[in-house]
Amino acid sequence: EAEVAQSPRYKITEKSQAVAFWCDPISGHATLYWYRQILGQGPELLVQFQDESVVDDSQLPKDRFSAERLKGVDSTLKIQPAELGDSAMYLCASSSQGSPSEAFFGQGTRLTVV
Amino acid sequence: RKEVEQDPGPFNVPEGATVAFNCTYSNSASQSFFWYRQDCRKEPKLLMSVYSSGNEDGRFTAQLNRASQYISLLIRDSKLSDSATYLCVVTLSGNTPLVFGKGTRLSVIA
Repeated sequence: EAEVAQSPRYKITEKSQAVAFWCDPISGHATLYWYRQILGQGPELLVQFQDESVVDDSQLPKDRFSAERLKGVDSTLKIQPAELGDSAMYLCASSSQGSPSEAFFGQGTRLTVV
Repeated sequence: RKEVEQDPGPFNVPEGATVAFNCTYSNSASQSFFWYRQDCRKEPKLLMSVYSSGNEDGRFTAQLNRASQYISLLIRDSKLSDSATYLCVVTLSGNTPLVFGKGTRLSVIA
């Protein structure tokens, strides 16, 4: 069964350091999302890509977060510098283009900033 | 006001009970509605889509009331394995982002 791959699964970093997360969506899925989920909350969108283009990054804290999907396939989310409040689960999801469809999530990267 | 609001629970119910979750959304232009299930420390997974006419999948029934901007999920004959967080999800159209509620936590007790 096709899956969304994310790495690393877990990351501990010191505040002010840089950290990067990687996502490989299901093959053929044009839409890719990065969500952040704080414990006890629902996932909140950080950025949405359609192929290699950013569709929505209105909730991305652009002073420290960046995201790219250069070839329209896999994607990287970076935080620099990390802050204590960035500790959360970072979830990548993908969906096929067209009518409303199911988004498939990766297992996520659990980030702890110390 | 949050775009999607849910009662966070927890709902603690015995096996075999019927339990219902409700969700309200603020954007009347919303077009698509879903319930996702999330197990502890796992990723969310689609449970079912919600259609205007209502839909049923085994022990699960989802309903949509567009006039009241209200979505519900009914679980009959609860199983221990139903214990999870249930996320109400709304989207405007095909490729707009999914907007999640905070989730409702369910614990089914033996």
